[in-house]
Amino acid sequence: GENVEQHPSTLSVQEGDSAVIKCTYSDSASNYFPWYKQELGKRPQLIIDIRSNVGEKKDQRIAVTLNKTAKHFSLHITETQPEDSAVYFCAASAPGGSYIPTFGRGTSLIVHP
Amino acid sequence: KAGVTQTPRYLIKTRGQQVTLSCSPISGHRSVSWYQQTPGQGLQFLFEYFSETQRNKGNFPGRFSGRQFSNSRSEMNVSTLELGDSALYLCASSVRPGAQETQYFGPGTRLLVL
Repeated sequence: GENVEQHPSTLSVQEGDSAVIKCTYSDSASNYFPWYKQELGKRPQLIIDIRSNVGEKKDQRIAVTLNKTAKHFSLHITETQPEDSAVYFCAASAPGGSYIPTFGRGTSLIVHP
Repeated sequence: KAGVTQTPRYLIKTRGQQVTLSCSPISGHRSVSWYQQTPGQGLQFLFEYFSETQRNKGNFPGRFSGRQFSNSRSEMNVSTLELGDSALYLCASSVRPGAQETQYFGPGTRLLVL
């Protein structure tokens, strides 16, 4: 089955800095890569996703890049703000009814004001 | 639209008991998935239901079961509770089934097994 590794497990940055979270996956059939943000005590919420037909996608201060050859994808947050502090999860899934989404272990991002 | 709702939000049980958790998906969403979230294992897929049928099941023992009703609401049941079942149980709904559909999570049910 799919295996998703996520690094780092904890990331501490100063407000205004950039943050990068990286994930690698094992199943070359995976072609959908969502990122979720989970604030303390709240539900995970989709913040951005990318499919394998594109290499990069941006939405304001967040962007995701995908390297299918190397089987890794990254979340980039620019100009971080304290409200970006949360746990971020990556996931990978493949097409087909038998596939289930596989999540990374999560990255705790702390943005210091 | 109202979001995904889960009841109860908190539960305390003792070993050996059983528990039933409920999930109401977003109106119009017909697929419901369940996840277990723990600090050590992260988010792990339990099962997915669509049209009252279980489509996929994760690597969990048979003590974990679920069902879906005709109105797409879903329940999951854990029998013979163990200490290790203490976790946040999240359900997520999507318009269609499949791992590549955007999933919308509920607030979760936090289960503590003593």
